[in-house]
Amino acid sequence: GQNIDQPTEMTATEGAIVQINCTYQTSGFNGLFWYQQHAGEAPTFLSYNVLDGLEEKGRFSSFLSRSKGYSYLLLKELQMKDSASYLCAAMDSNYQLIWGAGTKLIIKP
Amino acid sequence: ETGVTQTPRHLVMGMTNKKSLKCEQHLGHNAMYWYKQSAKKPLELMFVYSLEERVENNSVPSRFSPECPNSSHLFLHLHTLQPEDSALYLCASSQEYGTGGGTQYFGPGTRLTVL
Repeated sequence: GQNIDQPTEMTATEGAIVQINCTYQTSGFNGLFWYQQHAGEAPTFLSYNVLDGLEEKGRFSSFLSRSKGYSYLLLKELQMKDSASYLCAAMDSNYQLIWGAGTKLIIKP
Repeated sequence: ETGVTQTPRHLVMGMTNKKSLKCEQHLGHNAMYWYKQSAKKPLELMFVYSLEERVENNSVPSRFSPECPNSSHLFLHLHTLQPEDSALYLCASSQEYGTGGGTQYFGPGTRLTVL
């Protein structure tokens, strides 16, 4: 079956760096998405990786290893506003998104 | 600011009520989606419309009935719901469906409580 695994919850300190991991098993693969969702708000698109490697966007970077079925989202210089849930989703061979349950990130001062 | 809006934001209904959720996208996209989001569970895809035609119906109970009158509007009609249907209902749109269709953009959701 198709599956996405990511940690349920993580805690980090303001100003620090945190890495949120995601492993996926899908029938075929057409890319990996990361979304941020603040409580009570819409998920908002952060990144899309389809090739191996690291993509950097300001304080956020996303990495993909297709051979390992693995991705991570790296958040640097953490700010209190980064407290949110981070959703990982892999696109399968039918271009359907398979979603993880999300990682709730708690930032402490 | 979002290009996808949803109303109402909150809805409380009894099991015998009939209500509708509305979604509107201002992005010129051709595909629209309904998702159910329950606490600590992955997003569940309910329905997909591409160019106003339903292309996916993922074994959703008939008490949920979608409608897509045009490519900018999507409705979810609800009737005789069960308490376990209480969840956040999210609407999303993308440029196309399938063939990599592009990133999905979400509305803020309707928080539904069924009493």
